[in-house]
Amino acid sequence: KQEVTQIPAALSVPEGENLVLNCSFTDSAIYNLQWFRQDPGKGLTSLLLIQSSQREQTSGRLNASLDKSSGRSTLYIAASQPGDSATYLCALSGNTPLVFGKGTRLSVIA
Amino acid sequence: GAVVSQHPSRVICKSGTSVKIECRSLDFQATTMFWYRQFPKQSLMLMATSNEGSKATYEQGVEKDKFLINHASLTLSTLTVTSAHPEDSSFYICSARDPGGLNEKLFFGSGTQLSVL
Repeated sequence: KQEVTQIPAALSVPEGENLVLNCSFTDSAIYNLQWFRQDPGKGLTSLLLIQSSQREQTSGRLNASLDKSSGRSTLYIAASQPGDSATYLCALSGNTPLVFGKGTRLSVIA
Repeated sequence: GAVVSQHPSRVICKSGTSVKIECRSLDFQATTMFWYRQFPKQSLMLMATSNEGSKATYEQGVEKDKFLINHASLTLSTLTVTSAHPEDSSFYICSARDPGGLNEKLFFGSGTQLSVL
């Protein structure tokens, strides 16, 4: 059974800092990995999707990496802004539907 | 990009009533939609997979007679919480996969916050 762990559970940084969010998983037999953003009481917005054959994806200030052999993915956010404050979730698609981590709650302080 | 609309965004109801939540894919046809539930500070948990024109597939521990799912068209799936009780209070989110899109990305509705008094 796939288990997804996200560390840290919460993170508070000053504006402008670069930061890394971590996601680890136990079963490397995955189709793809997605990073989502969730604002309080809102639905999910897909940020980046990495296919199992890829190692990273970039979109603007975001860069996500995938290392299947070690069961890890990271989401790198450059030059953080207060508008980046949200919960970030990673989710894996494999032989079963998406399995989500509990998320990292990010606060960027102006 | 693909859009999934979920309605209502918030509902408060009395214990024992039934609540229907709608999930629509606005610019693509979704043969499969997914329903998730999220309790505070917990991760999203898949409840069921909704298949157009056939019965939904429920995850272990989810009561199919309590959470009725109907996927009558390629753009609409509904989740009905029957005889709701306070323990059903949760955040419910639907998602749909755009079969014509790249990378089989999932798109999510904005969620429904259900509060049962």
